Amino acid sequence: SAVISQKPSRDICQRGTSLTIQCQVDSQVTMMFWYRQQPGQSLTLIATANQGSEATYESGFVIDKFPISRPNLTFSTLTVSNLSPEDSSIYLCSAYRDGSTGELFFGEGSRLTVL
Amino acid sequence: GIQVEQSPPDLILQEGANSTLRCNFSDSVNNLQWFHQNPWGQLINLFYIPSGTKQNGRLSATTVATERYSLLYISSSQTTDSGVYFCAVESNTGNQFYFGTGTSLTVIP
Repeated sequence: SAVISQKPSRDICQRGTSLTIQCQVDSQVTMMFWYRQQPGQSLTLIATANQGSEATYESGFVIDKFPISRPNLTFSTLTVSNLSPEDSSIYLCSAYRDGSTGELFFGEGSRLTVL
Repeated sequence: GIQVEQSPPDLILQEGANSTLRCNFSDSVNNLQWFHQNPWGQLINLFYIPSGTKQNGRLSATTVATERYSLLYISSSQTTDSGVYFCAVESNTGNQFYFGTGTSLTVIP
């Protein structure tokens, strides 16, 4: 398994600002992903964080709103830009180590509230 | 994209009862996982089960990939089993995992 640490664990932000969430994995992983979970809903995949190249975004998510970095095999950031109350969600980082059992693991999430 | 539907959406059980949760998916997949999201929001891996049957204590899971469904069995339920159960499937065109709609389970004493 992999231990995934996210920070901040929660934050309250003003409309129009941005928030950057950091995700640190305790070992090198092949794949890292960012998910959003809106209140009472399932998890929606935002993007695949690619090491050394631009992230691959799912339909409905764009780089200008959710810029992602992945400078190495253990670290990624997700920025949620130009915040609005509709961005209030839990954002989760996940990782997958290819060649192992192929299981997907999650951090504890970052709970964002936009006022 | 792959559609993943879970049933039932909500379930209330008396402690000690058994239940079966179902996950249907719309296309061939590489892998399937079951997760439990506890009331504090933490996602806990239950099973990695692309096919066949696995058991872990009171929980077991079966995936029939050719028929595009998976089942999670909970026996002798306990109040600590409460939470939301998700299945997630890995697309066979990449490594992305897509989550189902979830089953919210409440076990009452």
